[in-house]
Amino acid sequence: ETGVTQSPTHLIKTRGQQVTLRCSSQSGHNTVSWYQQALGQGPQFIFQYYREEENGRGNFPPRFSGLQFPNYSSELNVNALELDDSALYLCASRSGTGRRTDTQYFGPGTRLTVL
Amino acid sequence: SQQGEEDPQALSIQEGENATMNCSYKTSINNLQWYRQNSGRGLVHLILIRSNEREKHSGRLRVTLDTSKKSSSLLITASRAADTASYFCATDGDTNAGKSTFGDGTTLTVKP
Repeated sequence: ETGVTQSPTHLIKTRGQQVTLRCSSQSGHNTVSWYQQALGQGPQFIFQYYREEENGRGNFPPRFSGLQFPNYSSELNVNALELDDSALYLCASRSGTGRRTDTQYFGPGTRLTVL
Repeated sequence: SQQGEEDPQALSIQEGENATMNCSYKTSINNLQWYRQNSGRGLVHLILIRSNEREKHSGRLRVTLDTSKKSSSLLITASRAADTASYFCATDGDTNAGKSTFGDGTTLTVKP
């Protein structure tokens, strides 16, 4: 158990809909990163939030957006869902940012299926 | 595109044997991490090795890092059926801690 929780566990949506995924970070962690993992592939970095501000973004379109709240929990929002958005969405939390090499801890993931 | 590439893509061994997985990456790094993933669930952190380190141990795990060759290896000794999982390496650059770049993993099967 890493202390990072995600909800929901599974989700089924149809193309064009919008979805919100949630992540609660481990106690004391102020940085949350989101990753998308397609079947048979490694996770791809979507974006990171540090102290409620976006702190870096991967190669994902603007319809992927996020929030971080004062308690450092986070949301990932995806608009206008496409079939290729079907994946496991993982969040990871860690303490600090920049050059620090603290370990990041992953949640169990949310499996999103887009029909 | 992914920075890291694991080799082999799949590995099948008998219980008790050693398993070695390799990872290559393309750009300079601050650290490299190895993770385990069971059945498409969350990633479990195994070891983090910094760019100025050459070898780290944790129980039955041994990780080496060769920054001149931009490669790392993960050795699992005396494997068990419970080690069956996918293993991923991930790298962080100098200024992107926590914005890790992953390879596509090695799927390890340990037969009892």
